[in-house]
Amino acid sequence: DAGITQSPRHKVTETGTPVTLRCHQTENHRYMYWYRQDPGHGLRLIHYSYGVKDTDKGEVSDGYSVSRSKTEDFLLTLESATSSQTSVYFCAISESAGNEKLFFGSGTQLSVL
Amino acid sequence: GESVGLHLPTLSVQEGDNSIINCAYSNSASDYFIWYKQESGKGPQFIIDIRSNMDKRQGQRVTVLLNKTVKHLSLQIAATQPGDSAVYFCAENLANAGGTSYGKLTFGQGTILTVHP
Repeated sequence: DAGITQSPRHKVTETGTPVTLRCHQTENHRYMYWYRQDPGHGLRLIHYSYGVKDTDKGEVSDGYSVSRSKTEDFLLTLESATSSQTSVYFCAISESAGNEKLFFGSGTQLSVL
Repeated sequence: GESVGLHLPTLSVQEGDNSIINCAYSNSASDYFIWYKQESGKGPQFIIDIRSNMDKRQGQRVTVLLNKTVKHLSLQIAATQPGDSAVYFCAENLANAGGTSYGKLTFGQGTILTVHP
């Protein structure tokens, strides 16, 4: 998966607990993204980063925050997990901005009970 | 915002047949399109892309056709194999809509392709 590692691969947590998902890349790509995938909705962008410490919101950013302190790592945090955040989360990277294909990680299956 | 949709949610073919997966898009300003393949338990895998200044692009056993007049995109897979069984997504990117788009793709729902041996 293009040098992208997501961790953990699976997580079960309780409502109200904080959760952090990690994406690590070895491609030295500038752009990183977090998507969630749900039946009936397809892939939807949560947050993205266009450089170290440079992030912005996607279409479904409520309830999520991100951080990027190093080129290779992009963290997604659910401050207080809710059942509606049960989903499969995918990290993606791209080399340049706009009109550029994304490479995806293997995903994290998150269940919030 | 505008979204990408699919005509057929499922497609079943026999091994060796050609497959055609269709996609309709509604944003006439989109200028870049991508097809992804997703196998069970894995992330989407890039197949082929096409820019709006092209009508056709070919890869290894795959061809993407773009009809801007009717805003339609299709993926053709030649000599379909059981390993091609997966969900196929089309995605569009609207470049420079008030700035850069940073690869913020809009994905369709996906078509399930099943190849019978």
